[in-house]
Amino acid sequence: QQQVKQSPQSLIVQKGGISIINCAYENTAFDYFPWYQQFPGKGPALLIAIRPDVSEKKEGRFTISFNKSAKQFSLHIMDSQPGDSATYFCAPNFSGNTPLVFGKGTRLSVIA
Amino acid sequence: GAVVSQHPSRVICKSGTSVKIECRSLDFQATTMFWYRQFPKQSLMLMATSNEGSKATYEQGVEKDKFLINHASLTLSTLTVTSAHPEDSSFYICSAPSQGRAYEQYFGPGTRLTVT
Repeated sequence: QQQVKQSPQSLIVQKGGISIINCAYENTAFDYFPWYQQFPGKGPALLIAIRPDVSEKKEGRFTISFNKSAKQFSLHIMDSQPGDSATYFCAPNFSGNTPLVFGKGTRLSVIA
Repeated sequence: GAVVSQHPSRVICKSGTSVKIECRSLDFQATTMFWYRQFPKQSLMLMATSNEGSKATYEQGVEKDKFLINHASLTLSTLTVTSAHPEDSSFYICSAPSQGRAYEQYFGPGTRLTVT
């Protein structure tokens, strides 16, 4: 059972543009919705996360939009920069010490 | 922020040998750690949950006799790949949940294993 569906698989964006990555989930028990950023040869790092009691969270150029009824959340990267080129994973989670359920990842390339 | 380290960062071994990978939480205690495996251009797949002082819990399809996990202290978990084969070549990553912020997890930098 695929609990998390992430799209697109890859994305090419011009520098300064907006990058949008989507994540759909099935398990309504998830109560923490993070996005992780991974550079080649490195472990993933938390980028931004949201709890289900809010519909949007913004941190600098990064915004999460959360739609509980649609069971979807998305990552928006404003003013995308070449340094944002990385693979992004959504990884909805349960409370407590539980492992993450990763989406398949989106490879973002920001070109000048 | 909290730091998780892994050692070694890269290892090359011959087929049939065993390799041990260490995962340490440097500035916090981790009663639970997770081990993931990542093949090139793929997502992270959970291999097992490591619990301090007790046996690890393995995901379906992961051979527990091949991937030995020992969580001997609150800051150290080890993954030993026994009788390694070329198909075990992968990127192995550990993570540990934050103690203060229960939803957040900290990932190690990963270990690249190449079996020749």
